[in-house]
Amino acid sequence: GAVVSQHPSRVICKSGTSVKIECRSLDFQATTMFWYRQFPKKSLMLMATSNEGSKATYEQGVEKDKFLINHASLTLSTLTVTSAHPEDSSFYICSADPHSLYGYTFGSGTRLTVV
Amino acid sequence: TQLLEQSPQFLSIQEGENLTVYCNSSSVFSSLQWYRQEPGEGPVLLVTVVTGGEVKKLKRLTFQFGDARKDSSLHITAAQPGDTGLYLCAGLGGTSYGKLTFGQGTILTVHP
Repeated sequence: GAVVSQHPSRVICKSGTSVKIECRSLDFQATTMFWYRQFPKKSLMLMATSNEGSKATYEQGVEKDKFLINHASLTLSTLTVTSAHPEDSSFYICSADPHSLYGYTFGSGTRLTVV
Repeated sequence: TQLLEQSPQFLSIQEGENLTVYCNSSSVFSSLQWYRQEPGEGPVLLVTVVTGGEVKKLKRLTFQFGDARKDSSLHITAAQPGDTGLYLCAGLGGTSYGKLTFGQGTILTVHP
């Protein structure tokens, strides 16, 4: 149980286009989901907290207009990278708390490459 | 801002050796979680420690939570090449309610 599905696993897009990443909780409801960014051989950096039915909370330094988050249902949160630039290339990971007291569950990540 | 200092950042050892990874903070956490991550994948939970002084064992891995719930350690006995990966500690609670505070990570390489 407590599975988070993230899609796509890899995406390549052209500079200036937008890319949407989906994060779904498959067997539990998630009122809150988290979006992270990870650079090679580095730890996870929290970008924003996604709240179902309300606005996301962004960490300091993260551009709200560039990284649009929508959490329209209890099982789906999306991250849209708008007007992508090569420096947005990274590994993006989502997670959710299944309230199992055993830890948060993470998606398998999305490798975004902007060319 | 809560910080979780994880060390060492890199560890390269031979198969059969023992190792310990540390996570330290000045903040108190309600729980601390350890994850292992392989390249191109999301982190996978290894263990959650909740009680101060708690010790949990997972085969060759031993996890400890400090008495004051500010620090934790991961000890691996007789490391194997399959243990290679990025190990992450993450604290829950304190001033960052509901959000995990991650350590910097430890890249472990076990050579056959």
